[in-house]
Amino acid sequence: NAGVMQNPRHLVRRRGQEARLRCSPMKGHSHVYWYRQLPEEGLKFMVYLQKENIIDESGMPKERFSAEFPKEGPSILRIQQVVRGDSAAYFCASSPPGTGESYEQYFGPGTRLTVT
Amino acid sequence: DQQVKQNSPSLSVQEGRISILNCDYTNSMFDYFLWYKKYPAEGPTFLISISSIKDKNEDGRFTVFLNKSAKHLSLHIVPSQPGDSAVYFCAASDGGANNLFFGTGTRLTVIP
Repeated sequence: NAGVMQNPRHLVRRRGQEARLRCSPMKGHSHVYWYRQLPEEGLKFMVYLQKENIIDESGMPKERFSAEFPKEGPSILRIQQVVRGDSAAYFCASSPPGTGESYEQYFGPGTRLTVT
Repeated sequence: DQQVKQNSPSLSVQEGRISILNCDYTNSMFDYFLWYKKYPAEGPTFLISISSIKDKNEDGRFTVFLNKSAKHLSLHIVPSQPGDSAVYFCAASDGGANNLFFGTGTRLTVIP
């Protein structure tokens, strides 16, 4: 029973390049969340997606960042024209469909982005 | 604006003793609270949760206590084991949103 998969695990980009981070949710999960963790800080919510829909992107920077979760394939977090301040660990989480008491989100191992 | 706070960045406890990790929150709309454990170079792993309609939830060595009037929760681990050494994050959610608000984490070290 594979968990949340993220790749690459490590990504190095030069300033101005594009970064693409991929996330495959757990089997049966249709909700995907992206979080960013800066050094010495907690995880900060970025965006919440369901298949083909962005539900909440209140945590996304207004420029250069975008996310998608297509009908087929993984969710993609895209950062255009990266800057040094984008260096962080980016975590994806997934949860099953439906609502209720359980709000547990299951996290992937993260992608560590380094901008040089 | 840090809505979930973990004021102790680190905690050291002797093996076999109790570990108590604390968390405070400011948003009275939060109705569900979770604890995650994180090892280096790994994603957070869900540990235990509690709904705001309860004041205690227990799972094996782990117990979470919620004091809504004080907007405070705590995680008790007893007995502590060296394998419990990790960073523990407190997280909260309000029913209307799906994102989690995380604290900054407490690094627990259990000394053999």
